[in-house]
Amino acid sequence: ETGVTQTPRHLVMGMTNKKSLKCEQHLGHNAMYWYKQSAKKPLELMFVYNFKEQTENNSVPSRFSPECPNSSHLFLHLHTLQPEDSALYLCASSQDGISSTDTQYFGPGTRLTVL
Amino acid sequence: AQKITQTQPGMFVQEKEAVTLDCTYDTSDPSYGLFWYKQPSSGEMIFLIYQGSYDQQNATEGRYSLNFQKARKSANLVISASQLGDSAMYFCAMREVGGSQGNLIFGKGTKLSVKP
Repeated sequence: ETGVTQTPRHLVMGMTNKKSLKCEQHLGHNAMYWYKQSAKKPLELMFVYNFKEQTENNSVPSRFSPECPNSSHLFLHLHTLQPEDSALYLCASSQDGISSTDTQYFGPGTRLTVL
Repeated sequence: AQKITQTQPGMFVQEKEAVTLDCTYDTSDPSYGLFWYKQPSSGEMIFLIYQGSYDQQNATEGRYSLNFQKARKSANLVISASQLGDSAMYFCAMREVGGSQGNLIFGKGTKLSVKP
């Protein structure tokens, strides 16, 4: 496996379900990110982890719970979601999240539908 | 105010021709980076090209080049010799070094359609 992988690629869940999105990066990076992309809206940054520590929580509702057990893996735990949470969830990683040339590389995304 | 503005919601270009996708940005930070990403219908955001605010020359990567005009705060993407596979959404993004860590600010995107 190379680059950034995400599973599952598609997810349909009810509002009372609990599910998790998984992201894995094979680039040796130290920073990982979760983004939400809704239709007709710019990409929204949700969470940032740097060296496994959460450094940014962009006012995300508590029904989204991130977990970063190590620099290569990032999870997004979902519970009691709303239909408006239906979106494409993108994971990204970058070398350090600090330097001016730091470039983020994205996974293929998980397309989430909340019924 | 929007930090990244992409004024072209959609663009058409004939195959093999060049196309310019516009991007203007707003920042008071003297140190920043500008990025372009391509997003095909499959969803993955593919990094294309980077321009640093202190770079003297315009960035180039294969068929992609960035027309960086710092005084006008514009960072237009030029795609030469368009191919059918170039049809996708294109996003301009900015990272202010003095801003929140990792905070990449995206524009709303331009949908490029390449006609055969």
